[in-house]
Amino acid sequence: QVTLKESGPGILQPSQTLSLTCSFSGFSLSTSGICVSWIRQPSGKGLEWLATICWEDSKGYNPSLKNRLTISKDTSNNQAFLKITSVDTADTAIYYCARSPAGGTIYFDYWGQGVMVTVSS
Amino acid sequence: DIQMTQSPSFLSASVGDRVTINCKASQNINRYLNWYQQKLGEAPKLLIYNANSLQTGIPSRFSGSGSGTDFTLTISSLQPEDVATYFCLQHNSWPTFGSGTKLEIK
Repeated sequence: QVTLKESGPGILQPSQTLSLTCSFSGFSLSTSGICVSWIRQPSGKGLEWLATICWEDSKGYNPSLKNRLTISKDTSNNQAFLKITSVDTADTAIYYCARSPAGGTIYFDYWGQGVMVTVSS
Repeated sequence: DIQMTQSPSFLSASVGDRVTINCKASQNINRYLNWYQQKLGEAPKLLIYNANSLQTGIPSRFSGSGSGTDFTLTISSLQPEDVATYFCLQHNSWPTFGSGTKLEIK
């Protein structure tokens, strides 16, 4: 059974760095073709793909946010991470991690329930 | 980036009705279109991938069609447990989502 769970700080101040953790089970990031992605949804707005990391450590970033994002993984502990620098109120959102299966394109077959992150002074 | 225009934003239908939701891509995405269901407080669930392939474990009343720029999700006979928000995702290039359709029972 594939499960993913996100964790984060809950609330942080503008200009700080947001650090998110995705803990997963039921699959391994050392398996050929498997990737983990981050997606977010600001309240009342649509979903936005942020970043993806794959089994061989390749990474992809949303071009509109690329300069602020860093994705990484700890394969032995079944975790993936996302850092977003210089946050502001526009980064307030529910953040999801999801598994991206093998297949050559980035899509998401299993998702976590999401974690709410609020940026406020 | 590829823009996805989803319609309608809101849909109210009766149990047993045939329901359709549409997504239109701003450029050709071949068949790289997925449909998801998200119930309140739950993780999104993959229903359909690559335009018309039913994900394992999803009821057969859900189906997808289309290619190129125009895609449709169909629920052949609406059930009470189908109340949810549905959204599309294109993965022909870096992924972008439709804005969602909130489905309720009349």
